Formats: sequence, C-alpha cells, structure tokens
Amino acid sequence: SQTIHQWPATLVQPVGSPLSLECTVEGTSNPNLYWYRQAAGRGLQLLFYSVGIGQISSEVPQNLSASRPQDRQFILSSKKLLLSDSGFYLCAWREGLSPLHFGNGTRLTVT
Amino acid sequence: KQEVTQIPAALSVPEGENLVLNCSFTDSAIYNLQWFRQDPGKGLTSLLLIQSSQREQTSGRLNASLDKSSGRSTLYIAASQPGDSATYLCAAFPNDYKLSFGAGTTVTVRA
Repeated sequence: SQTIHQWPATLVQPVGSPLSLECTVEGTSNPNLYWYRQAAGRGLQLLFYSVGIGQISSEVPQNLSASRPQDRQFILSSKKLLLSDSGFYLCAWREGLSPLHFGNGTRLTVT
Repeated sequence: KQEVTQIPAALSVPEGENLVLNCSFTDSAIYNLQWFRQDPGKGLTSLLLIQSSQREQTSGRLNASLDKSSGRSTLYIAASQPGDSATYLCAAFPNDYKLSFGAGTTVTVRA
C-alpha cells in the first residue's frame, strides 16, 4: 500500500533563517506531487506541483522553492524565511487521476 | 479559473441528525470531485472521490452526489456522531493538475 511521510511535524524558525521540508511517498511510481499551504482560517493554497523528477511548476511567486531530486521525494525550501511564511504546510500525491492523498503536515512558525 | 465554494462555513447539529454539506464550483468542466475530512492540526483524509461520469459515491454512512450541470456536489452523513466533528473540504479536479479547494465547512456534532 502507498504511504506518504512528511517531516518535521512542527518547526519554529527565526526570520531570515533557511527552511527545508521533506516529503517522501512509498508504494507508487512517478506520482504527481504537491505542496500546499494552509494559513489560519484560510483555505488551501497550492504552492508547487511536480509531474516528474526535476519538473516543478510554481503557482505563487514568493521566496519559497521546491525540488524533486528523486521520483518519490519532494522538498520545499527557502533561503530566508519571512513572518508571512508561517502556516501549515501539506504535501500530497496522486497517481494519474486517482484520489489525492495528503501527509500529516508541518506546522511552521516563523518568529 | 475554477472557484469552489462551501456553504455554510460552520454547522452544529445534535447527535443522530443527518448532515448535508454543500459544495459548488464555477466551471462544470471538471474531471472529478473529492471530499476530504480534516481534524484540527492534522492533514486531510480522503473520504470519497466522484468521477465526472458518476452521479454519486457511497462509503458506509457517507454519500456524495455530483451534478456537473448545476455545478454542485453534496456530502450526506447519516446519523451523525460526535466523532464526525471535523472540517470537511471539497476539491474540484480540472483537466490538468491544478486542484481547486473550497474553504471547508466546520461541523460540530453535539452529544
């Protein structure tokens, strides 16, 4: 069966520090991978999606970036965090047009 | 651009009552529609996926319908229980990779 792992679960970082969130999927090949952000009281905002290794589409221009170094690994990064980057970050995957599945999320607080 | 709306934003019912959650979308050219559940501080759990060729899907006490012509989907939860308390989100899948989410309906089932 397929599983998705996302870590860390919580993170507190100072403004200006770098960020790296990792997501891996097991039990599937060539999945579509997504990074979403959920701000308090707001809906899900699509940040990046990837249909293959090295293929990244950005939905929102900002100081975040994403990379897909391996088929089932998706990384969200920032060189310098802003206060506005605080939120709940969710990784998701789907195979073709099958249901979308989410990880447990990372709660990021930028202080 | 596909816009997804969920009304009401919050709902409180006594235990045992049937729940009716509404989701509307602006572009009827969707491929499929998915309902999720989100518990506080957690990721999203997939409940039901309705393909565009289907009119409804059922799983246990849950039934979701889809009417593409009117741009609506409804999630029915029969005989609600306190454990059904959560936020329910719907997402419309267009014919590419960019899913559109509603803001969710937060349900409280009173014991």
